[in-house]
Amino acid sequence: QSVLTQPPSVSAAPGQKVTISCSGSSSNIGNNYVSWYQQLPGTAPKLLIYDNNKRPSGIPDRFSGSKSGTSATLGITGLQTGDEADYYCGTWDSSLSGVVFGGGTKLTVL
Amino acid sequence: QVQLVQSGAEVKKPGASVKVSCKASGYTFTSYGISWVRQAPGQGLEWMGWISAYNGNTNYAQKLQGRVTMTTDTSTSTAYMELRSLRSDDTAVYYCARDGAGDYMDVWGKGTTVTVSS
Repeated sequence: QSVLTQPPSVSAAPGQKVTISCSGSSSNIGNNYVSWYQQLPGTAPKLLIYDNNKRPSGIPDRFSGSKSGTSATLGITGLQTGDEADYYCGTWDSSLSGVVFGGGTKLTVL
Repeated sequence: QVQLVQSGAEVKKPGASVKVSCKASGYTFTSYGISWVRQAPGQGLEWMGWISAYNGNTNYAQKLQGRVTMTTDTSTSTAYMELRSLRSDDTAVYYCARDGAGDYMDVWGKGTTVTVSS
């Protein structure tokens, strides 16, 4: 059981928008920055969003992040078949004194 | 370009130890830390711990305390993760990732598969 809760799967059609939620508590999301990672099949994770809503260089603005209270959301617009992947949220947990991840969300672009 | 190159796959017997290496290039090694993250087959990401390449300070996941040791060799810009008393549920892909302060990981290695089997 992961400390952060994500939906196991989401799906949408090409060109549409999808959001992926990540729910936590005051010991993690509520008081720390959230990051998001994309893991394409058979590859290492890749940083998409850090510090709640910042994009590393090279990440298109189709990807966005937000945080409110103890929840965070990843948004992807203009969906492409190449966006099919597992997406993970992560943050620091002050009670555990370590990084925690969500269980991951599998995105299917129909 | 910034990259992390990990050592090759390992097969170990239960009770043995494994040491995975992660060689950094393209940036000043001592300006960042290294996090280690593992992923069991078909499962999600599990953070194992973090080491500062600047001063060697470490922070290990509570679950692995006593079984894991992370070190760095600044002369070769290489980080190491040793896991002892291996069990079958340690079978996973082990990733190293550049991590400034132990909060987010911006560059990842390709992963090292560790299989624990009798």
